Amino acid sequence: GENVEQHPSTLSVQEGDSAVIKCTYSDSASNYFPWYKQELGKRPQLIIDIRSNVGEKKDQRIAVTLNKTAKHFSLHITETQPEDSAVYFCAATNTGNQFYFGTGTSLTVIP
Amino acid sequence: DAGITQSPRHKVTETGTPVTLRCHQTENHRYMYWYRQDPGHGLRLIHYSYGVKDTDKGEVSDGYSVSRSKTEDFLLTLESATSSQTSVYFCAISVDLRGPSGNEQFFGPGTRLTVL
Repeated sequence: GENVEQHPSTLSVQEGDSAVIKCTYSDSASNYFPWYKQELGKRPQLIIDIRSNVGEKKDQRIAVTLNKTAKHFSLHITETQPEDSAVYFCAATNTGNQFYFGTGTSLTVIP
Repeated sequence: DAGITQSPRHKVTETGTPVTLRCHQTENHRYMYWYRQDPGHGLRLIHYSYGVKDTDKGEVSDGYSVSRSKTEDFLLTLESATSSQTSVYFCAISVDLRGPSGNEQFFGPGTRLTVL
């Protein structure tokens, strides 16, 4: 099956700086890559996703890039704010049925 | 929240007892999933369903069974709970999308299970 690795496991940034989280995947057939944000005690929430037919997608302060050749994708958060502090998960799927998740990145934005 | 609820939200039980967790959705989605979330492991798929009475195993299915007799309900059963099954369990649904492959997935609020 698919194997998704996520780095770093923890990340601290100053408010206003950028944060980058990276994921790699093993199955070249994977074609959908969502990112989830999970606040403490809450459910994971989809924040952005990308499909294999595009290389980059932006939504206000967040963006995701995909490099199919290298089999990695990244989440970029610009102008970070304290409310961005959370655990972020990447995932990959090639069927839309079985999703494989990374182990999560705990992001802390320091005011 | 995509109309997903889970019950119970918290449960404490003893080793060897059976436990059933319920996931309920109100929007008639075809695909439903059960995950467990543990520190250092992220979210791992236990079982999923692609229709009434149609289910399949995920990567950590040992010790778990599921049933889906109605579109709106997906049940997860621990036949004989063990301490290693202490975890937070999330139900999820997939929204079928037209166009490019891939289905957006939305999660329920979670159930915290403690097995003593």
